Amino acid sequence: DQQVKQNSPSLSVQEGRISILNCDYTNSMFDYFLWYKKYPAEGPTFLISISSIKDKNEDGRFTVFLNKSAKHLSLHIVPSQPGDSAVYFCAARGSGGNQFYFGTGTSLTVIP
Amino acid sequence: GAGVSQSPSNKVTEKGKDVELRCDPISGHTALYWYRQSLGQGLEFLIYFQGNSAPDKSGLPSDRFSAERTGGSVSTLTIQRTQQEDSAVYLCASSRDRNQPQHFGDGTRLSIL
Repeated sequence: DQQVKQNSPSLSVQEGRISILNCDYTNSMFDYFLWYKKYPAEGPTFLISISSIKDKNEDGRFTVFLNKSAKHLSLHIVPSQPGDSAVYFCAARGSGGNQFYFGTGTSLTVIP
Repeated sequence: GAGVSQSPSNKVTEKGKDVELRCDPISGHTALYWYRQSLGQGLEFLIYFQGNSAPDKSGLPSDRFSAERTGGSVSTLTIQRTQQEDSAVYLCASSRDRNQPQHFGDGTRLSIL
């Protein structure tokens, strides 16, 4: 049973435009969310996180939005750059829990 | 190096053999996680170590899987009597504590023939 879902396996965006990656979750007890970026043959790299007490967190070109009522989070990358081309995973964890639940990833291609 | 180191990077073995995968976390990181990623799937949690506390083994898929962490640092994941469905990339991650983002190694790609 997939508790964290990324329903778009792939996304293509023109360089300079905004990339929006989406993630849905089912467990209302999740209170800590993260986005990771992964290049082939490498481990995931942490990008940005958000706790459930906030609805937005920004770090440079990356912004994560959390909609708790909809159990939805999104990652915005603006402006998108060719080096952003990678697989993006969202992850979530419940209060007091140790286990992080990961989505299946979205492959982003930024076209020069 | 400054990052999480995993060895071997690739392992090919015959069905029924035992394998050991190693993880060297970042120095000073008290939390250590093992995950596996099967083809086309997300990361599946296996086990979590925090300092000297008893590990959270709730993600281990069967009793053929075990892990230990010696001296609060290096960890080994052991799979006994390997099966073809064990073929996956096994990833290790560490963090300063459970509330900090995890830093991942590059993984061990395990192939069972």
